Formats: sequence, structure tokens, C-alpha cells
Amino acid sequence: GENVEQHPSTLSVQEGDSAVIKCTYSDSASNYFPWYKQELGKGPQLIIDIRSNVGEKKDQRIAVTLNKTAKHFSLHITETQPEDSAVYFCAASIRGSWGKLQFGAGTQVVVTP
Amino acid sequence: DTAVSQTPKYLVTQMGNDKSIKCEQNLGHDTMYWYKQDSKKFLKIMFSYNNKELIINETVPNRFSPKSPDKAHLNLHINSLELGDSAVYFCASEPQGRSYEQYFGPGTRLTVT
Repeated sequence: GENVEQHPSTLSVQEGDSAVIKCTYSDSASNYFPWYKQELGKGPQLIIDIRSNVGEKKDQRIAVTLNKTAKHFSLHITETQPEDSAVYFCAASIRGSWGKLQFGAGTQVVVTP
Repeated sequence: DTAVSQTPKYLVTQMGNDKSIKCEQNLGHDTMYWYKQDSKKFLKIMFSYNNKELIINETVPNRFSPKSPDKAHLNLHINSLELGDSAVYFCASEPQGRSYEQYFGPGTRLTVT
């Protein structure tokens, strides 16, 4: 089955700096890669996703890149703000698998003012 | 107007007891999930239902029994609770045939003493 590895497990950045989280996946059939943000005491919330026919996607301060050959994808957050502090999860799934997402272990991001 | 709601938010009980967690979504989605998040924040899928039909049943002890009375509700009943069942349980929903965007509920923190 699919295995998703996520690094780093914790990331501390100064406000205004950039943060990068990297994930690798094992199943070359995976073709959908979402990123979720989980704030303390809340459920995960989808913040951005990318499909295998796209190499990069941006939404304001966040962007995701995908390298299918290397089987890795990354989340980039620019101009970080204190409200970006949360746990971020990457995930991978295969279309037609009834949305079964395999999550990474999560990255605790702390943005210090 | 909460999209995915769960009750209760906190549940403290003793070993050996039977308990239920309820989930409701008002998004009109066809697919619903139960996830377990352990103390290390790892998210793992437990069950998935599509239009009241069981689709995914991961290697979960049969003490856990999901029930979907209609496509807007997915409840989780747990028999003979064990210490290792302590975790946060998340319900999620997803529109069938769409972008695999899963909407998570706020979670139920189960503590077994």
C-alpha cells in the first residue's frame, strides 16, 4: 500500500520567513496530493491540493510543488505569520480508491513574532 | 450552520464500557469517514461509507462498529473499551466523484481510564 513520509516533524521560523515541508510517497499510482492544516483543538482543514498532471500550484502565500519522477511533493509558505502556527499534514491518494487518503506524520510549525 | 459536527467533544470512560460517538454532516455529501488520531498526531483511516454502504474497513478491531442510518450520519460504537482506544476520533465527509476534498469535524477526544 501507499506510504507517505513527511519531514521535518517540527519547524520553527521567524515571522516573515518562509517555511518548507517535504513529503515523499511510495505508490507511483498515487495522483492526488492534498495538504491539511490542523489548528489546536480543531479538525484538519484542506488548504491546498495538487493533482499529478500539475507541477505547481499557488494560492496566495502557499504553494505546492510535485515531482512525479522523484515521487515527492512540498508545501511552501511564504511571509509566515503567527496564525500559520499549526500542524500540517500531507497526504496521497489514488483516484478511484474512494478517497482513501494516506497521511504523513505531520509537521508542527511554530512561527515566532 | 456547522458543516460536520460530532458529539460529544470529550468522552471520559472506564475500561470495559461501551460508548458511541455521533457524526452529522449538512453538506449533502455522499461519503463519510472515521479517522483515529493518536497521541503523536498520526491520522489513520478506520472506516468509510458511501450512501450508507461500507466502502473501507481498515484493520480495526471488531469492537468498533460504524453505523450509517442515512447518508448524513455516521456513528461509531465502541464495545469493551481498552486503554489503547484513547485518541481523538475525527469524522469527515466528501462529495462523491468530486475533488476528494474531505471536510473534517472538530473531533471527539476519547479518554479511557
